[in-house]
Amino acid sequence: DAGVIQSPRHEVTEMGQEVTLRCKPISGHDYLFWYRQTMMRGLELLIYFNNNVPIDDSGMPEDRFSAKMPNASFSTLKIQPSEPRDSAVYFCASTSGDIRNTIYFGEGSWLTVV
Amino acid sequence: GNSVTQMEGPVTLSEEAFLTINCTYTATGYPSLFWYVQYPGEGLQLLLKATKADDKGSNKGFEATYRKETTSFHLEKGSVQVSDSAVYFCALFDSGNTGKLIFGQGTTLQVKP
Repeated sequence: DAGVIQSPRHEVTEMGQEVTLRCKPISGHDYLFWYRQTMMRGLELLIYFNNNVPIDDSGMPEDRFSAKMPNASFSTLKIQPSEPRDSAVYFCASTSGDIRNTIYFGEGSWLTVV
Repeated sequence: GNSVTQMEGPVTLSEEAFLTINCTYTATGYPSLFWYVQYPGEGLQLLLKATKADDKGSNKGFEATYRKETTSFHLEKGSVQVSDSAVYFCALFDSGNTGKLIFGQGTTLQVKP
């Protein structure tokens, strides 16, 4: 079975540009999470969805960040405009049923903003 | 609020050495506890979990026991291999706060042949 699929795997962009990260959760999973990982702050939950509805976006750093989940098999995390401090690894993850179940992570999108 | 604290790394061991990575937590109620592992260039994978006090999670030779009295969930392995080199994250499921999975800061393990 395919796991959580993220794209792009690596992106280098200039400050001020729009960045869109994409995620396809595991088929049948009804929870989707976006995490950010940096050396300074570790692993932070940005937002999560249940049945395509955002449940908690309190971790989204500021208005430059937005996330959508138009259907059960696709989500995007957008940064506009991007800044160098947004450089990080962004992970998408999914799980099914009870949120306490195992969460499956994608391989991450490695973003560098120069 | 709820939180997870792990021992700082990196932890450097020789192959076949005994491993302990300490993890303590602060939480109200009875959270579920997890250890995730992240190999270089990859996402996190669940290593083991425990959902109630005195439960022992185990997988691939790793073990951790949910100790409510000491609010701890230390990770142990009797004999590490070079292939165990990775970053290990302790986490708790925060059922009282919209269901977030809260991670510790991660501990890097380096195993030398």
